[in-house]
Amino acid sequence: DTGVSQDPRHKITKRGQNVTFRCDPISEHNRLYWYRQTLGQGPEFLTYFQNEAQLEKSRLLSDRFSAERPKGSFSTLEIQRTEQGDSAMYLCASSADSNPQHFGDGTRLSIL
Amino acid sequence: AQSVTQLDSQVPVFEEAPVELRCNYSSSVSVYLFWYVQYPNQGLQLLLKYLSGSTLVKGINGFEAEFNKSQTSFHLRKPSVHISDTAEYFCAVSEGNSGGYQKVTFGTGTKLQVIP
Repeated sequence: DTGVSQDPRHKITKRGQNVTFRCDPISEHNRLYWYRQTLGQGPEFLTYFQNEAQLEKSRLLSDRFSAERPKGSFSTLEIQRTEQGDSAMYLCASSADSNPQHFGDGTRLSIL
Repeated sequence: AQSVTQLDSQVPVFEEAPVELRCNYSSSVSVYLFWYVQYPNQGLQLLLKYLSGSTLVKGINGFEAEFNKSQTSFHLRKPSVHISDTAEYFCAVSEGNSGGYQKVTFGTGTKLQVIP
């Protein structure tokens, strides 16, 4: 069990640029989740995959956000035309079926 | 809809003293409950979980929590804290259905500061 891995750990970009984050879940976990965490708040659910299927998306996930998990293993989260309000920690988690979720260390996004 | 309330945003406590971090939840169905710990610039680590059975749940690092259905609470306790317990603690709830996706809702967190 090597844990959930996220890359990059930090991303600084200018407003209007596109960014992409990667998450590698624990290898035997079929479920993968993306969360956003802003300062002073708990993680907020963004989206969920079971294997390669994206089964649920939050209203927080505007049309500028897209997530994929093409082969049911790693996942990417892309944000297009970034805005100041996108600055946050983006957390990925994975689980085996209904078991508790295991979190990665997150990608901290800063928009200049 | 489910929700979690952590009333205390910060809890200072002296080293080796006991601590209780409060969590209340709201849900119209049966629930699963969790406590996670987050150290600076890291993700969340599961401390303990309540799924069913005994209402007193023991977790890692000497923490325990008690599920109280009548008071809709799941308070976290430790009899003697250590400096290394300084971190932010999140209570979380999910609906206790079997199989399928379980949306997890997190509280706003409680920062535990252990004072030497």
